[in-house]
Amino acid sequence: KQEVTQIPAALSVPEGENLVLNCSFTDSAIYNLQWFRQDPGKGLTSLLLIQSSQREQTSGRLNASLDKSSGRSTLYIAASQPGDSATYLCAVAHTGANSKLTFGKGITLSVRP
Amino acid sequence: NAGVTQTPKFQVLKTGQSMTLQCAQDMNHNSMYWYRQDPGMGLRLIYYSASEGTTDKGEVPNGYNVSRLNKREFSLRLESAAPSQTSVYFCASRGPPGSYNEQFFGPGTRLTVL
Repeated sequence: KQEVTQIPAALSVPEGENLVLNCSFTDSAIYNLQWFRQDPGKGLTSLLLIQSSQREQTSGRLNASLDKSSGRSTLYIAASQPGDSATYLCAVAHTGANSKLTFGKGITLSVRP
Repeated sequence: NAGVTQTPKFQVLKTGQSMTLQCAQDMNHNSMYWYRQDPGMGLRLIYYSASEGTTDKGEVPNGYNVSRLNKREFSLRLESAAPSQTSVYFCASRGPPGSYNEQFFGPGTRLTVL
């Protein structure tokens, strides 16, 4: 059974710092990996999706990498801002047409002004 | 383009009552999903529908039923609500196999069962 782990559960950094959020998964036979952002009391917003054949994806100040063989992904946030404060979740899609997602429990990020 | 919409946003039920959570998407996606999110447990898949007319159980299906009414709509029904079903419920949809396969989520329904 696929398990997705995100450690630590919470992180607090000063504004302007570059930071890396980690995600690990136990079964490397994935279809893709998706990073989401969730603000308190809100739904999930997709940030980046990396296909299993890709190594990284970039969107603005965000860069996500994928190392399937080692079962790891990282989300890099450059020049963090207080508006980046949220919970970040990674999810892996299983191989096959249905591509069900298995989620990590998320990392709650607080960026201090 | 509204994306994925869910109704209601909030609901309070008494134990034993029934209700249906509604979900609709306007992206012409084939696959739709229902998840629940609980503190310390993360998001867990309840049911999914790979295409119109098909439904399958996910990780935590007990106590729930689903209906894929048409390509747009996927409803989740609680026949006899229990306090353990207090949770935030999210609906999601995804494009067809071979597409980018990104999942899009609705805003959620916050359900409390007393």
